[in-house]
Amino acid sequence: QVQLVESGGGLVQPGGSLRLSCAASGFTFSGYYFSWIRQAPGKGLEWVSYISSSGDYTNYADSVKGRFTISRDNARSSLYLQMNSLRAEDTAVYYCARESGGFDSWGQGTLVIVSS
Amino acid sequence: QSVLTQPPSASGTPGQRVTISCSGSSSNIGSNSVNWYQQVPGTAPKLLIDSNNQRPSGVPDRFSGSKSGTSASLAISGLQSEDEADYYCAAWDASLNGLWVFGGGTKLTVL
Repeated sequence: QVQLVESGGGLVQPGGSLRLSCAASGFTFSGYYFSWIRQAPGKGLEWVSYISSSGDYTNYADSVKGRFTISRDNARSSLYLQMNSLRAEDTAVYYCARESGGFDSWGQGTLVIVSS
Repeated sequence: QSVLTQPPSASGTPGQRVTISCSGSSSNIGSNSVNWYQQVPGTAPKLLIDSNNQRPSGVPDRFSGSKSGTSASLAISGLQSEDEADYYCAAWDASLNGLWVFGGGTKLTVL
């Protein structure tokens, strides 16, 4: 069955960096677009970034543009999010989600806390 | 402030029909499909309605979606206690090289 498992979250100081990973299984990873979507504590969903199936096309929310980089390794069926210059407002649960029309599969999320 | 506008809360009694609205603009809902997600607190969101009105496999037919112009609606008929959750609308937005936009979410309470 389709499975997405995020990892890499944790506590980081403001200005620090973190790399999130999302391991996919149960389907042909290379055939899908993916997005990272985050949810701050007690808040709604916020789209962060997407990447095309080949990795050629990406885009970012204005709130993370220039600080976050999305990438993928189709050979490893893995999605990544490199997060630099982290701020307190980046504190959230980060979900990876497969795109098939809508976001039809989601991981369980990984918590990122930016605090000194 | 979310790009798509939803009421923050909605409520109903078991068996009732409840609707949740989602308002956008010509660059998102006006020109692209709307999806709806259900999120039970503490869990990941789940796709509830795809492409304005399509239910993925396993979603009860009590849930239905519609779209008109730059607005969309989610309807839940025969409300059940397990429907108590947060509901989000989302759409592709063609501005700024393309991005996904979400509504702020509606907390549904089953009284």
